[in-house]
Amino acid sequence: DIVMTQSPDSLAVSLGERATINCKSSQSVLYSSDNKNYLAWFQQKPGQPPKLLIYWASTRESGVPDRFSGSGSGTDFTLTISSLQAEDVAVYYCQQYYGSPLTFGGGTKVEIK
Amino acid sequence: QLQLQESGPGLLKPSETLSLTCTVSSGSVSSSTYYWGWIRQPPGKGLEWIGGIHFGGTTYYNPSLKSRVTISVDTSKNHFSLKLSSVTAADTAVYYCARLRGTGPGRGYFNYWGQGTLVTVSS
Repeated sequence: DIVMTQSPDSLAVSLGERATINCKSSQSVLYSSDNKNYLAWFQQKPGQPPKLLIYWASTRESGVPDRFSGSGSGTDFTLTISSLQAEDVAVYYCQQYYGSPLTFGGGTKVEIK
Repeated sequence: QLQLQESGPGLLKPSETLSLTCTVSSGSVSSSTYYWGWIRQPPGKGLEWIGGIHFGGTTYYNPSLKSRVTISVDTSKNHFSLKLSSVTAADTAVYYCARLRGTGPGRGYFNYWGQGTLVTVSS
């Protein structure tokens, strides 16, 4: 199985400041035949299902604010919230879809400082 | 807007079989473009993929659960189902159904999720 490791477990950021979440995979999720990274990011608010934010490591899902961005390649990835808003308080998960079984990171909780 | 809704018993005893159904509305499980899956989340913990299916019948299961899991689809009722046998307290979780966009039932990301249903296993 591909193990996804997120860091930090939690972080507190002031409103309007940048939040950075890291995700590392135990093996590369870059598929050489299409040069795509098989990595997605989700946001989960309390009592709600996860919501897709980013796929192919850096493609924003329709309707997702542009303050959310994804970057990285191979085994190291980052989700950045450029200017944290109150509604961004949530747990964020990365997920690899390079290989089965599909696996998720352990989550990063983002709070307001 | 596609909607998915999980249904099924919320309380089971150890050794029983968990049975959940995901009803799809404003969309079709018979779409050749998409796949359908189940994910679970123990209270206060992270996400675990259980398995997925295509309407044509192709299934993929998480090896950690494969011996106990069956996922099926009923195109006439526009729903798909999960069965998990011989449950224990460790199977207590919120169970989500979701639509997967990708290249197979075990290779994609989830772009629509149901609200989830809590299943508790307790004697």
